[in-house]
Amino acid sequence: GGIITQTPKFLIGQEGQKLTLKCQQNFNHDTMYWYRQDSGKGLRLIYYSITENDLQKGDLSEGYDASREKKSSFSLTVTSAQKNEMAVFLCASSMGTGGAYAEQFFGPGTRLTVL
Amino acid sequence: SQWGEENLQALSIQEGEDVTMNCSYKTYTTVVHWYRQDSGRGPALIILIRSNEREKRSGRLRATLDTSSQSSSLSITAAQCEDTAVYFCATEGTQVVGQLTFGSGTRLQVYA
Repeated sequence: GGIITQTPKFLIGQEGQKLTLKCQQNFNHDTMYWYRQDSGKGLRLIYYSITENDLQKGDLSEGYDASREKKSSFSLTVTSAQKNEMAVFLCASSMGTGGAYAEQFFGPGTRLTVL
Repeated sequence: SQWGEENLQALSIQEGEDVTMNCSYKTYTTVVHWYRQDSGRGPALIILIRSNEREKRSGRLRATLDTSSQSSSLSITAAQCEDTAVYFCATEGTQVVGQLTFGSGTRLQVYA
């Protein structure tokens, strides 16, 4: 089996600050994802990447940048933190080819607090 | 029923009861995933059902899929306290391979 690691587990920043969240997976999966989960809501897709150096915007990409430096890692940057985006950010990976291969494996999340 | 931007629904039942959670989705799909999220953890896939299956079972879990009404359900038989979690349905997009759209989830609390 594999594992997805997200760092940091808790991230506290000031309003307007640029903040970076990191994700590593050892499944050797091609596709990686970043989701935002607001309290009491479902998951919303921010960015995804189907291979190294590929980036695709999700529905919630405004205010975020992403970077797929290598197959195993995917970073998310909050370009200017706002108080209304305090949430849990979840990273996931999948083989990415549909059906059973679309199963996504999730990390434990990074909880963002903006002061 | 759960979807997207809507608020998380909540269900509370006693141990031993059966429970069904519903999911109505907005865009065409041939596969529905059901994920479970325990407190402080990321979601994990518990059952996946395709349009040609109508019903799928895994232990005490039973999923159904009706593509004509664009709805799916997840039932748990004889719920246990350890079934307490948030349950999400997710549909596969037809335009972007592998991309899932998640519902808003149902928070299930099972009391002893």
